[in-house]
Amino acid sequence: KQEVTQIPAALSVPEGENLVLNCSFTDSAIYNLQWFRQDPGKGLTSLLLIQSSQREQTSGRLNASLDKSSGRSTLYIAASQPGDSATYLCAVEEYGNKLVFGAGTILRVKS
Amino acid sequence: DAGITQSPRHKVTETGTPVTLRCHQTENHRYMYWYRQDPGHGLRLIHYSYGVKDTDKGEVSDGYSVSRSKTEDFLLTLESATSSQTSVYFCAAGQEGYNEQFFGPGTRLTVL
Repeated sequence: KQEVTQIPAALSVPEGENLVLNCSFTDSAIYNLQWFRQDPGKGLTSLLLIQSSQREQTSGRLNASLDKSSGRSTLYIAASQPGDSATYLCAVEEYGNKLVFGAGTILRVKS
Repeated sequence: DAGITQSPRHKVTETGTPVTLRCHQTENHRYMYWYRQDPGHGLRLIHYSYGVKDTDKGEVSDGYSVSRSKTEDFLLTLESATSSQTSVYFCAAGQEGYNEQFFGPGTRLTVL
């Protein structure tokens, strides 16, 4: 059974810092990995999707990497801003178009 | 939200009553999903559908049933609600072939 773990569970940083969120998964037989953002009381917004054949994806200040063989992904946020405060979730896609989620990292960026 | 709506957005009900949550999508996605989100667990898959009248169980399907009679609608039913089903329920939709899943805004269900 696939298990997805996100570390740390919570993170508080001052504005302007670069930061890394970590995601690990136990079964490397995945089709892709997605990073989502969730604001309090809201749904999920997809940030980046990395196909299993890819190593990284970038969007603006966000960069996500994938090392399928070691079962790890990182989400790098450059020059963090208070508006980046949210919960960040990673999820791996398994056979059958099903996602398995981690519990998330709660990020707070202090101004 | 890529055209995905959920209704109701909030519901309070009593133990033992039936509850139906509705998900509606406008993008003609083939796949639709129901998840529940609880503190410390992230999102867990309840049921999913890979086409009209084609559904299958997810990780936490006990106590839930689903139906999909039209491409755009996916219903989640709690036949007899229990307090353990108090949660936030999210619907998602997507195409096959390693594509993104798009999520609705969620339904907060409280079972007293």
